[in-house]
Amino acid sequence: DARVTQTPRHKVTEMGQEVTMRCQPILGHNTVFWYRQTMMQGLELLAYFRNRAPLDDSGMPKDRFSAEMPDATLATLKIQPSEPRDSAVYFCASGLGQNTEAFFGQGTRLTVV
Amino acid sequence: GDSVTQMEGPVTLSEEAFLTINCTYTATGYPSLFWYVQYPGEGLQLLLKATKADDKGSNKGFEATYRKETTSFHLEKGSVQVSDSAVYFCALSEDFGNEKLTFGTGTRLTIIP
Repeated sequence: DARVTQTPRHKVTEMGQEVTMRCQPILGHNTVFWYRQTMMQGLELLAYFRNRAPLDDSGMPKDRFSAEMPDATLATLKIQPSEPRDSAVYFCASGLGQNTEAFFGQGTRLTVV
Repeated sequence: GDSVTQMEGPVTLSEEAFLTINCTYTATGYPSLFWYVQYPGEGLQLLLKATKADDKGSNKGFEATYRKETTSFHLEKGSVQVSDSAVYFCALSEDFGNEKLTFGTGTRLTIIP
């Protein structure tokens, strides 16, 4: 049963620390998305990639966030330094693009204290 | 830019009641439309989709029809169950060249026995 895998599922860290979230997209999918979910803002698109190239990261605070795809089986989202306002659930999703659906991972719940 | 507006929640219904969750959209092209469902502690799962005007998506007793003239994609179910309690998101994906999913704010649905 193919699925998007995210690690870790939960992360508690202190303000100022670096946080790295990882995502393994479904094999064969060429589009990867990072979303952030909070009660106040709902689902926000942070970045998305097609064939490992970043296409849109306009939703991401550039000074502290970075997203990469070192290879087709791994996407990473880093926050450095982390701040309490970054506390949220971060979802990775993958798909085949071209108006098809995206498949979501179970998310990483980040708490910055 | 693209946007999705959906019914404010929360919505509370009794079991076997009829459900409608309204969704309207704004898009520049010819988007595909989706309903996703999120159960507690989980990522989003595709519930149904429609890719062109007048298409009807259906799954698990839920239906939604792509209405281009009213730019709407309302979700309906004839008889809800307690297990349908979740958060429902309407979303759109534009056509070629811009596959990112734009989500509505989500509607929390609670079904009471």
